[in-house]
Amino acid sequence: EDQVTQSPEALRLQEGESSSLNCSYTVSGLRGLFWYRQDPGKGPEFLFTLYSAGEEKEKERLKATLTKKESFLHITAPKPEDSATYLCAVNQGRALTFGSGTRLQVQP
Amino acid sequence: NAGVTQTPKFQVLKTGQSMTLQCAQDMNHEYMSWYRQDPGMGLRLIHYSVGAGITDQGEVPNGYNVSRSTTEDFPLRLLSAAPSQTSVYFCASSYSGQNTEAFFGQGTRLTVV
Repeated sequence: EDQVTQSPEALRLQEGESSSLNCSYTVSGLRGLFWYRQDPGKGPEFLFTLYSAGEEKEKERLKATLTKKESFLHITAPKPEDSATYLCAVNQGRALTFGSGTRLQVQP
Repeated sequence: NAGVTQTPKFQVLKTGQSMTLQCAQDMNHEYMSWYRQDPGMGLRLIHYSVGAGITDQGEVPNGYNVSRSTTEDFPLRLLSAAPSQTSVYFCASSYSGQNTEAFFGQGTRLTVV
């Protein structure tokens, strides 16, 4: 069965303390891996799409990488406004399969 | 552009009642979908549509109906609400299927008592 597992479930960082979020997947025929950010009470907001192993994408303090079995979202020198839930999803063709997310809290 | 608009934002239903969650997008996207989000389970696909007049089931379709008469609108109908349908519902649209960026609405928080 296709699965997407995110770790850790929750992460608390001090402002400026870099870290990484993990998304591991077991799907056949990956057609894309997506990262979304979700703020409380709001819908997910698109961050990145990765299509092949070795691909990397960056946006401000965020960098997403992809291997054949997992993806990492690296957060460099985070700020309190980076606090949110980060969702990973894989495209299986007709649907996106989402992980349960990592709740990130960045304290000033 | 307003993007994806969902109404209502909050709703309380009694068991057995029916209702329609509205979703509209103004980006001329062909692909629209409905998800439910439950604590610890991530977003799960309920139904989706690849264009006007075409709909299909997702992972958790039981108890829900959809139709797509226009490109803009994709309502989700709960036929006979059950407490298990208490959840947050999100509508999403994308230009071309699941391999492109999806835009999500703000969500509808539904409680069935």
